Amino acid sequence: EDQVTQSPEALRLQEGESSSLNCSYTVSGLRGLFWYRQDPGKGPEFLFTLYSAGEEKEKERLKATLTKKESFLHITAPKPEDSATYLCAWIRDDKIIFGKGTRLHILP
Amino acid sequence: NAGVTQTPKFQVLKTGQSMTLQCAQDMNHNSMYWYRQDPGMGLRLIYYSASEGTTDKGEVPNGYNVSRLNKREFSLRLESAAPSQTSVYFCASSFLAGGVADTQYFGPGTRLTVL
Repeated sequence: EDQVTQSPEALRLQEGESSSLNCSYTVSGLRGLFWYRQDPGKGPEFLFTLYSAGEEKEKERLKATLTKKESFLHITAPKPEDSATYLCAWIRDDKIIFGKGTRLHILP
Repeated sequence: NAGVTQTPKFQVLKTGQSMTLQCAQDMNHNSMYWYRQDPGMGLRLIYYSASEGTTDKGEVPNGYNVSRLNKREFSLRLESAAPSQTSVYFCASSFLAGGVADTQYFGPGTRLTVL
């Protein structure tokens, strides 16, 4: 069964402490993988799309990478405003399927 | 551009009452989606409309109906609300080319409580 698993479920970091969030997938013929950020009480906000293994995208302190089995969202020197839930999602034909997310909390 | 807008932002219903959630997008997207989000369950697709004039069931369609009013607007109706429908509802839109989904853009959500 095609599925996406995000880990860890929750992560607490000190400000400036770099880390990575994982999205592993067992999807045959992956057409694309997305990363979204969601703040409490708001809708998901698009961050990145990755289409093929080896592809990387960067935005400020965030960098997304994709291999044949997983995607990582690397957070470098995070700040408290990076605290949010990060969601990955994959394309299934005319729909996208979301993982359950990683709740990230950056302590000042 | 407002992007994706949803009304209302909050709603409280009694069991058995009906209501319609409204969604509109101004990005000229052809496809629109309704999700619900519950703690520990992530985002689950209720219904979607790949193009104007078409609608399809998602993962959790029971208890809901939808209407694609025109290219911009996609509404979600609860005919007889149940406590199990207490959730946060999100509308999203995207371009769909060749039957393959692309980046979806989300509205701010409607927080619904059914007593």
